[in-house]
Amino acid sequence: GAGVSQSPSNKVTEKGKDVELRCDPISGHTALYWYRQSLGQGLEFLIYFQGNSAPDKSGLPSDRFSAERTGGSVSTLTIQRTQQEDSAVYLCASSLEFRPGGYTFGSGTRLTVV
Amino acid sequence: AQTVTQSQPEMSVQEAETVTLSCTYDTSENNYYLFWYKQPPSRQMILVIRQEAYKQQNATENRFSVNFQKAAKSFSLKISDSQLGDTAMYFCACLNTDKLIFGTGTRLQVFP
Repeated sequence: GAGVSQSPSNKVTEKGKDVELRCDPISGHTALYWYRQSLGQGLEFLIYFQGNSAPDKSGLPSDRFSAERTGGSVSTLTIQRTQQEDSAVYLCASSLEFRPGGYTFGSGTRLTVV
Repeated sequence: AQTVTQSQPEMSVQEAETVTLSCTYDTSENNYYLFWYKQPPSRQMILVIRQEAYKQQNATENRFSVNFQKAAKSFSLKISDSQLGDTAMYFCACLNTDKLIFGTGTRLQVFP
């Protein structure tokens, strides 16, 4: 596609439920990143996929968070047993391999846990 | 650990005036890249300008320019001839190895 697509745009869920957030990167982009933006905060790195390499999961805040990338394209971020502190905007970005500044961001998913 | 600090949570400027947003960073790397991103209400992050640390010349993109002070680890953004469309959150970021580290952002309001 022309840009990075994220769905849903907004998600409201009850505490304790699981949620899945989807990211469709730009076709051909081998690198994919997930960031979390909490209210009044900067972007917090969560996880990074590069080609067929093992993902860098160093930013995942707890074992309730996981992500996968199928076929080197679409990625899903899963949050299990959601908590109110998980409420945030989750942003996805993609780029061509390692290309400084060549990230294209999606418009994010706003997750609200009630 | 790499950190990026933006000490101005909010700034305002009148249309056509100039405003400077501050950013400091800390990294142990010699080769790194610095960025300013703009985030309008649409939430999408838009690259404004980037600076390669090994280049001494300050980057410029039309009305946007940076003041890169490598020894002081300072990277400020100057917006000249501010426009209403510049109203947004602005994030400073540092790229080290393979991921961007962001500051907490500065909310810029441009008034007519």
